[in-house]
Amino acid sequence: KAGVTQTPRYLIKTRGQQVTLSCSPISGHRSVSWYQQTPGQGLQFLFEYFSETQRNKGNFPGRFSGRQFSNSRSEMNVSTLELGDSALYLCASSLLAGLPSDTQYFGPGTRLTVL
Amino acid sequence: DQQVKQNSPSLSVQEGRISILNCDYTNSMFDYFLWYKKYPAEGPTFLISISSIKDKNEDGRFTVFLNKSAKHLSLHIVPSQPGDSAVYFCAAGGQGGSEKLVFGKGTKLTVNP
Repeated sequence: KAGVTQTPRYLIKTRGQQVTLSCSPISGHRSVSWYQQTPGQGLQFLFEYFSETQRNKGNFPGRFSGRQFSNSRSEMNVSTLELGDSALYLCASSLLAGLPSDTQYFGPGTRLTVL
Repeated sequence: DQQVKQNSPSLSVQEGRISILNCDYTNSMFDYFLWYKKYPAEGPTFLISISSIKDKNEDGRFTVFLNKSAKHLSLHIVPSQPGDSAVYFCAAGGQGGSEKLVFGKGTKLTVNP
């Protein structure tokens, strides 16, 4: 079974631009969560989608948004990029509605650099 | 407010010895705890978990201990191997499902041959 895939793996953007990142979960998984990892900050939760509905949201500004499609694939969008948005963005999928006991499987991440 | 804390950014141990990684949490609603391991250029991978109804869970060389009264958990790796060198993240969540998974900042473990 293929793992979680994320595209692109690397991105370089400039301040003020917007970016869209894509995540394909493991086949059969219906929950997708997004995390931001920055040096010294660990993984910070962005949002979780289940059956095309945002189920949970972290403390990030409205510039960060996401969506999930009927095939469970998910995208996240960051508008008006700031230097501080430079980070590794990780997507994780799980079988059900993201309960802690439902193991999350992570993709390799997208490394976003904002210049 | 950091609800899950890993106070040691790094840890270095000799091959064959025990590695002990620590994690503290502040939210008493957390009742499920996990450890993830992350190699460079890869996403985190699930390692081991423990429910609050238990105080110990073992899986091969990995054991997680939970002290609910102290709001503290630890991961023991015995014996440590060079391939264990990675960043280890502690995470916590509530079984009710309304609580998102909260991660610590990670501890970088280096196992020296």
